[in-house]
Order: sequence, then structure tokens, then C-alpha cells
Amino acid sequence: DIVMTQSPDSLAVSLGERATINCKSSQSVLCTSNNDNHLAWYQQKPGQPPKLLIYWASTRESGVPDRFSGSGSGTDFSLTISSLQAEDVAVYYCQQYCIPPPTFGQGTRVEIK
Amino acid sequence: QVQLQQSGPGLVKPSQTLSLTCAVSGDSVSSAVWHWIRQSPSRGLEWLGRTYYNSKWHYDYAGSVKSRITVNPDTSKNQFSLHLNSVTPEDTAIYYCARSTSVTSGTAFDYWAQGTLVTVFS
Repeated sequence: DIVMTQSPDSLAVSLGERATINCKSSQSVLCTSNNDNHLAWYQQKPGQPPKLLIYWASTRESGVPDRFSGSGSGTDFSLTISSLQAEDVAVYYCQQYCIPPPTFGQGTRVEIK
Repeated sequence: QVQLQQSGPGLVKPSQTLSLTCAVSGDSVSSAVWHWIRQSPSRGLEWLGRTYYNSKWHYDYAGSVKSRITVNPDTSKNQFSLHLNSVTPEDTAIYYCARSTSVTSGTAFDYWAQGTLVTVFS
């Protein structure tokens, strides 16, 4: 199975500042089926299921604010929140869907400094 | 708007079978791909299995539970189910059903149910 490793495990950022989360996969998730990166990012708040933010590594899901952006290719990816808002406090997960079974990172907790 | 509604018991005794149902509205279980995923502090988010229809019904399961799991569609009720037998306390987790939209290229999980906390406890 592909192992997804996120860093850091947690970070505290001031309101309005940038937050960046990294995700590294043990194998490339650039799939030959469509020559795209099969990498998604989710946001999970307490008591809620994960919510899809980003797919194909950089495509925002409908309704997701544009302060959220994804980048990267192959094995190294990032999620950036350009200007942290109070409602962005959550745990964020990366997930690959290139090679079955789909696997998730361990999560990164984002808090307000 | 796609909605997934889970039902099933929150308490299961060791060695018994955990059974959950996910009712789908706004889509058909004969379209898309339907998954079960669980979440626990010790194992994080763990994909368990999926079913989808492509000329016939297909089933795929995680190696960690392959000998104990069944995912079944029910087209008459537009729902699908999870059965996990011979449970132990390690199966205690929040269980989610979720949707993805493509088998051929793989896609992210775009809709999730609220989740069911299942505790394995005698």
C-alpha cells in the first residue's frame, strides 16, 4: 500500500497568515490512466466527516474558498491556506487514489496562534 | 444534491457481526462507486471496501479485513451495506460511507455520511 506522510503533525498560525501543509507519498501518484496526480485534500472539523477541498492535487471542489490551494506532483504535495480564518481550524488530510487501496495521511492539526 | 444516511447499531459484542446500511439519495447505487471507510485514533482513516456496477457488480476490499468483510448493494432500496464479522475491540471506530465517481481512473471521495461510532464491547 502507498504510505502517505504529512508534515507537520500540527501547526499554529496567526489569523490572516499563511499555513502550509506538506504531504509525501511513498510512490508516485501521477497515474498513467489520465496523466494526472491522484491526490486529494480533506478538511475535518470535530464531530464531522472529512470534507473534500482539493482533488487532482490542485482543483478546488465547488464552494471551497480560493484561499485554499493545492500544488505538487509525483510524490510531493502541499496544501496552502493563504490567509488563515478562524473557521479553518481543523485537521487536514491528504489522500491518494491512484493505486488501490486508497490511503490517507495521518492528518495535520491547524490551530490559531 | 447527493445525500448519504447511515443506520445501524453503535454497540457490537466481540466475535459478532458489525452491520451498517448507507441509504443514498440524489444518485443511484448503480452509478458511481460506493465505499466504507473507518476512523480511529490508532489507525487513522482507513478505507475498508467498495462496490460499483459496471456490466456486473464489483467488490474490492482492504487486505486488513478481506476475510471478514462484505459490502452489498441493494438496488431496490438504493442503498448499500457493510458487514464485518468476528469483530474485536480493535474494530471500534467511526464508520463512514462515502461516494466516488469513477472506477476507471479513480476519484476522490466527494460525499460522506455523518458517520456511526461503533464500539465493540462485551
